[in-house]
Amino acid sequence: GNSVTQMEGPVTLSEEAFLTINCTYTATGYPSLFWYVQYPGEGLQLLLKATKADDKGSNKGFEATYRKETTSFHLEKGSVQVSDSAVYFCALNPSGSARQLTFGSGTQLTVLP
Amino acid sequence: DTAVSQTPKYLVTQMGNDKSIKCEQNLGHDTMYWYKQDSKKFLKIMFSYNNKELIINETVPNRFSPKSPDKAHLNLHINSLELGDSAVYFCASSQASGHTEAFFGQGTRLTVV
Repeated sequence: GNSVTQMEGPVTLSEEAFLTINCTYTATGYPSLFWYVQYPGEGLQLLLKATKADDKGSNKGFEATYRKETTSFHLEKGSVQVSDSAVYFCALNPSGSARQLTFGSGTQLTVLP
Repeated sequence: DTAVSQTPKYLVTQMGNDKSIKCEQNLGHDTMYWYKQDSKKFLKIMFSYNNKELIINETVPNRFSPKSPDKAHLNLHINSLELGDSAVYFCASSQASGHTEAFFGQGTRLTVV
């Protein structure tokens, strides 16, 4: 079956630090990969996505590259801000007729001033 | 304009009651979902539904049932509420075809007392 494994949190960083949240996946075929962000008290918002191998998704200074050879989609940001404090979810959408997103367990990020 | 809206945002009720959560999307999507998020932020798909097919996560108790009056609405009915049903419930929608992302509502925090 399909699955997503994220690094466990919580992650606490100082402002302007470098961020990496690891994500690896198991899926048949060629899934699309996503990072979602959930700010406190809110729903999930799409942060970035990549639909094929070697694609790089980017948004708001965050980046992730679809690595098929390592089945990974690690999230990175060069300089985090306090406002980036949230829960981050890696997810995949399998190819074919399936329509369900499979989510990782989420990683809580706290950025301190 | 809110893309996916769900009501109520908060719901407190007693054990044994029956309750409903409403969801509407104005994105023209053909597939809608219900997710449950537990206290550890873990997301679990409950239902995936379009006008042709209902996919039920087999772990969901049959006390939970989706009702879709039309393509833009997918309500969640819960009978005989139990303490363990306390969670945040998210509605989402997407296009069935292609590697598209899902758009989420703001969530309904259900507390069973």
